[in-house]
This record gives sequence, structure tokens and C-alpha cells, in this order.
Amino acid sequence: GQNIDQPTEMTATEGAIVQINCTYQTSGFNGLFWYQQHAGEAPTFLSYNVLDGLEEKGRFSSFLSRSKGYSYLLLKELQMKDSASYLCAPTDSWGKLQFGAGTQVVVTP
Amino acid sequence: EAQVTQNPRYLITVTGKKLTVTCSQNMNHEYMSWYRQDPGLGLRQIYYSMNVEVTDKGDVPEGYKVSRKEKRNFPLILESPSPNQTSLYFCASSFMGASGFTGELFFGEGSRLTVL
Repeated sequence: GQNIDQPTEMTATEGAIVQINCTYQTSGFNGLFWYQQHAGEAPTFLSYNVLDGLEEKGRFSSFLSRSKGYSYLLLKELQMKDSASYLCAPTDSWGKLQFGAGTQVVVTP
Repeated sequence: EAQVTQNPRYLITVTGKKLTVTCSQNMNHEYMSWYRQDPGLGLRQIYYSMNVEVTDKGDVPEGYKVSRKEKRNFPLILESPSPNQTSLYFCASSFMGASGFTGELFFGEGSRLTVL
């Protein structure tokens, strides 16, 4: 089974940095997705981490520690358009994928 | 253009009237899956398929059926829809390696279903 824990909501101002933590317990863990989702729209891919460490993609970075069952998504230089829900999704080796409930990020001027 | 296409995008139906939501991908992906999304509950996996003729239950399979007769198509069937199946449905697909996902899971635009 999979238990996923991420904060419900985070608020930050434009230009700031926000870190969204995700802890999970996943049998047969293979990797972890991060997705961004605006209300009523399809999720948008941000990253897929398989190995331990930090991966950086522009303003967004994602970190994984397999031994700790822990990941975080770092959003830098926040913009208003970054206001969205951010979904953490650990996967196993057999195709099962479970999404966390999502962290709603609110960016204020 | 690489895409996952779902139809219909919007549907209002009545209890008990069988319906099928189609999903098609043009990327030759092995893996396809269906999710439903409800307020406060996030995305929940209904069924998934690792390849043609291989399907498995996700977390909320009750009331749904799927089939994977061709690599590109993965229809979701509601044999007797009920109001608790009113939801936003997403289909997704991805390449699969020997040890699991190898990259992005591509999502369709979603199908909003209302069962009265």
C-alpha cells in the first residue's frame, strides 16, 4: 500500500521561495512524480525522480531521499501563475501510482 | 502532435444508462490508466494497464470496467452509472521500462461526468 502526506495549503508572496514536502510509504517504490494542477485542468508534469538527490529545472527543483521516504518540490522566484495545486505521486515497479491529496499554493502580490 | 485524447469531454447522463469514455494515445505508450478526481479527495486511480490485454485494479475500481485490446486505446466503461460516479475523469499514458516508469505520465484533458 501507499501512504502519502503533504501539507494542505501554503501561502507565499511573489518572488519568494516555497518548499513543499512529501513523505510516503510505498511498497516496491520505483520513483516519484510531481505535478502541477490548476483547478479544472489536467495535471502538468514537473518532474520524475528515481535516484536520490536534487534535480533542477529552471525555477523548479525536486529532491528525493529513497531511504527516508521523503521528497520535496522547491519553487523559486514565485510568480502569480504558480498559484495551483501541487501533487506528489510515488510509484511502484508494477504500474500502481497513487497521488497525494495535493498542496494548494497561494501566491500573493 | 503527441497527445492523449478523451471523449466525451462533458456528459450528463441518468442512473443506470451504460456509458463508455474513450481514451486514445498516439505515443505508442505501454502504460495507460484512469483516474477520478473529486473535491478534497485528489486523484484516485481506477484501473491501469501495463500493456495490451494486461489490466489491474487501482484504488477505486468498483463500478467500472476497462479493456485493452489495442495498444493505443483504453476505454472506461460504466455499466450502470450511479450518482456517486459523478466526477472528473482523467486518462493518462506513459512509457514503461523493465523496472517501472521511465518518465512523464501524459494526461488527457479530462472528462466531466454527471450522473443524475
